[in-house]
Amino acid sequence: GAGVSQTPSNKVTEKGKYVELRCDPISGHTALYWYRQSLGQGPEFLIYFQGTGAADDSGLPNDRFFAVRPEGSVSTLKIQRTERGDSAVYLCASSGAYNEQFFGPGTRLTVL
Amino acid sequence: DQQVKQNSPSLSVQEGRISILNCDYTNSMFDYFLWYKKYPAEGPTFLISISSIKDKNEDGRFTVFLNKSAKHLSLHIVPSQPGDSAVYFCAASPFGNEKLTFGTGTRLTIIP
Repeated sequence: GAGVSQTPSNKVTEKGKYVELRCDPISGHTALYWYRQSLGQGPEFLIYFQGTGAADDSGLPNDRFFAVRPEGSVSTLKIQRTERGDSAVYLCASSGAYNEQFFGPGTRLTVL
Repeated sequence: DQQVKQNSPSLSVQEGRISILNCDYTNSMFDYFLWYKKYPAEGPTFLISISSIKDKNEDGRFTVFLNKSAKHLSLHIVPSQPGDSAVYFCAASPFGNEKLTFGTGTRLTIIP
């Protein structure tokens, strides 16, 4: 497809489990971002990749969160030992030559 | 510390009239501003942007105004249409840094 895609669209897990969320950016976009949106809030920045490397990971809340982009395209956000407070919509975005970021539909994570 | 603020959580406007959505920011380093529109269960969609070297940018029915001295921007939609009903997010980033800081959003309802 032409847009950013994210899988799964919904993920329900139990407290303490490990989850992986996947993002496929727009073809040719070198920059990729992860944001988290909690209910009633705007998206909050987590991490930004330029190519394969994390250019800015200052938004990751703690060391349970990790993201990779090994080939400079698809990215995976990994959350270890999930907690109920991790429940949110996780959004991925990509951008090309300009600053406009194009968002995917998000993955709704629910930690029971 | 909310660096980007949207003080109106909701706004209702009659179809055909002008919708004005407001946004204030506190970080003087912000120099690029964007508006996104979000429908339920979808990711934010880019609408319009403005850099700090301009005070106005127009794209069809959408115009963004920037007042740097007041650290205030606004989005004008005219004429408003029912399809404009959505949540609108203001976002900002500093020069050379593509990390976006979002406001909490304003839910716009267009009344037919």
